[in-house]
Amino acid sequence: KNEVEQSPQNLTAQEGEFITINCSYSVGISALHWLQQHPGGGIVSLFMLSSGKKKHGRLIATINIQEKHSSLHITASHPRDSAVYICAVEGSQGNLIFGKGTKLSVKP
Amino acid sequence: GAVVSQHPSWVICKSGTSVKIECRSLDFQATTMFWYRQFPKQSLMLMATSNEGSKATYEQGVEKDKFLINHASLTLSTLTVTSAHPEDSSFYICSGRAAYEQYFGPGTRLTVT
Repeated sequence: KNEVEQSPQNLTAQEGEFITINCSYSVGISALHWLQQHPGGGIVSLFMLSSGKKKHGRLIATINIQEKHSSLHITASHPRDSAVYICAVEGSQGNLIFGKGTKLSVKP
Repeated sequence: GAVVSQHPSWVICKSGTSVKIECRSLDFQATTMFWYRQFPKQSLMLMATSNEGSKATYEQGVEKDKFLINHASLTLSTLTVTSAHPEDSSFYICSGRAAYEQYFGPGTRLTVT
C-alpha cells in the first residue's frame, strides 16, 4: 500500500464546477504539501499545511491530522486550472513522499 | 515567494557522457536541498538529501557513485549524472528548504541517447 494515496487519479470537469481532490496518508508527518505540476513538468507549491485550513484565491486546502486526510478544493474551476495536482507529505527531516497525482482537465 | 532555479532546463546527451545539473536558491539560503526524479507518468521520487557542507544522503536504490551531489554553498547544489545511460532519462527536480518552507525548481529534462 502506498504511503500517500490520492483520489481520483483522473478528473474531468466543466468550467465553473467545484472540484475536490483527496489525499490520505499512513505515516506520521510534520506537514502536507499540495503541488501543481503543469504539462512541461514545472512544479508550483500551492499550500503547505500542518493543521486546519488555508485559502488562496479559488483554492482551499484542508487537513485532518487525526484522520490523516487532506482535501484540495477548487471553486469556479477554469480551463487554466488543468494540471496534475500532487499531494506530498513531509517527514521530520524535510523529505517529501509524493502521491501519484490527480490529473485534472477542465473543459470550457 | 522564494525562487529556485535549475540549469539547464533540458539537456540531451550521448550514452556514456556525464551531465551536470545546477540548482540555485535565488533569494534565500537553503540549508537543505533535495533532488527528485520523475519517470514518465510516475510520481516524483526522492533521490537524495544534501545539507550544505556535508555529504549527501541517498535513498535506497540510488547509486551515489552515479549521481554525484555537491552542495558547496547555501545557494547552490549540483547533481552530476555520470556515465549516463538511456534509462537515466528522466525529469530531475530540486527543491530548497528554508525554515519550514520548501521551494521547487522548474526541473531539468534529461534525455540520454
